[in-house]
Amino acid sequence: QSVLTQPPSVSAAPGQKVTISCSGGGTNIENNYVSWYQQLPGTAPRLLIYDNDKRPSGTPDRFSGSKSGASVTLAITGLQTGDEADYYCGTWDYSLSAVVFGGGTKLTVL
Amino acid sequence: EVQLVESGGGLVKPEGSLRLSCEVSGFTVSDAWMSWVRQAPGKGLEWVGRIKSQSDGGTTDYAAPVKGRFTISRADSKNRLYLQMDSLKTEDTAVYYCTTDRAGFGRWFYYYMDVWGKGTAITVSS
Repeated sequence: QSVLTQPPSVSAAPGQKVTISCSGGGTNIENNYVSWYQQLPGTAPRLLIYDNDKRPSGTPDRFSGSKSGASVTLAITGLQTGDEADYYCGTWDYSLSAVVFGGGTKLTVL
Repeated sequence: EVQLVESGGGLVKPEGSLRLSCEVSGFTVSDAWMSWVRQAPGKGLEWVGRIKSQSDGGTTDYAAPVKGRFTISRADSKNRLYLQMDSLKTEDTAVYYCTTDRAGFGRWFYYYMDVWGKGTAITVSS
């Protein structure tokens, strides 16, 4: 059971918008910045979003992040088949003194 | 360009030991905060532990499931990060990734992994 809760899967058609939620609590998301990672099939994860809503170089502006209280959301617009991947949220947890991740969300572009 | 290349994976029996290595290029390993993150087959990401930069004290922290069994260290002369794994259990079977980390304070505390290696797989089985 992951400390951060994500839906196991989401799907949408090419060109559409999809959102992936990640919820936690006061010892993690509510009082820390959150990052998102994209893991394409058969590859290592890569940083997608950091500090809730910042994009590193290489992340298209179709990807955006937001935070409200103890939850964060990753939004992907203009979906492409190449976006099919597993997406993970992550942050620090003060109570555990550890990095915690969500269980991951598998995105299917229909 | 920052690159991380893990090695040392393989098959090991329960209660055995294994040392993973992460070869670093593009920066000096002692200047970075670095972590090990693992992913069991078909499962999600799990943070294993981290080592702070030398200037920040070089201390280590570990996740509860591996505390007391795993040790993170680095060899500055070789620019490498290591993960010594002892008393291995079947549930330690996973792909292990080394990462470079960013941590600090803005309005809140931030901690994220900005560069990942390709990983090395270990299987713990009799």
